[in-house]
Amino acid sequence: GQQLNQSPQSMFIQEGEDVSMNCTSSSIFNTWLWYKQDPGEGPVLLIALYKAGELTSNGRLTAQFGITRKDSFLNISASIPSDVGIYFCAGQWRLTGGGNKLTFGTGTQLKVEL
Amino acid sequence: EPEVTQTPSHQVTQMGQEVILRCVPISNHLYFYWYRQILGQKVEFLVSFYNNEISEKSEIFDDQFSVERPDGSNFTLKIRSTKLEDSAMYFCASRDTEYNQPQHFGDGTRLSIL
Repeated sequence: GQQLNQSPQSMFIQEGEDVSMNCTSSSIFNTWLWYKQDPGEGPVLLIALYKAGELTSNGRLTAQFGITRKDSFLNISASIPSDVGIYFCAGQWRLTGGGNKLTFGTGTQLKVEL
Repeated sequence: EPEVTQTPSHQVTQMGQEVILRCVPISNHLYFYWYRQILGQKVEFLVSFYNNEISEKSEIFDDQFSVERPDGSNFTLKIRSTKLEDSAMYFCASRDTEYNQPQHFGDGTRLSIL
């Protein structure tokens, strides 16, 4: 089956630092999504990417859809304590009218030190 | 902002018993999904549902699982004879029919099998 590997597995950074994490896949997707999960809650969508090479920002977050369609990265600038959580990438093979299941990555746990 | 709601938030069940997890998707969404997350692991796709039928299911979704849209607002996941390894967080998600719309997740039901 499709495998999405995220790195790093966990990060412990100082408040104000920039963060970078990435996701690589054994197969191609035509959509990449980044979600954040807080303890006891469901994944919350951060950024969606729909075209190879696309670079998209959402506030302090920036994500890129890799040109090979097998990878994506997420950057967080000037981290703050509420950035703590688990970040998941998710790949999707988007079909018109199709089920469009998500394949999730292994997650990157972010901890921010004040 | 509209959201996906799931009940109960925590379900404790004896092994071998049947359990029904309930979801109310976002009201104008027509694609529905169930995902599972075993403690400390990634989110895994179970099943997608559209137009009153399953559009895709994973190998996890075997004969003990079933889904139903019993009325115009609820979407349920039934596990017929629960096993210890069914213990996990179960997330419901829904999305709009428009081509590029992402999936939105509920906060999940924690299922504990004793």
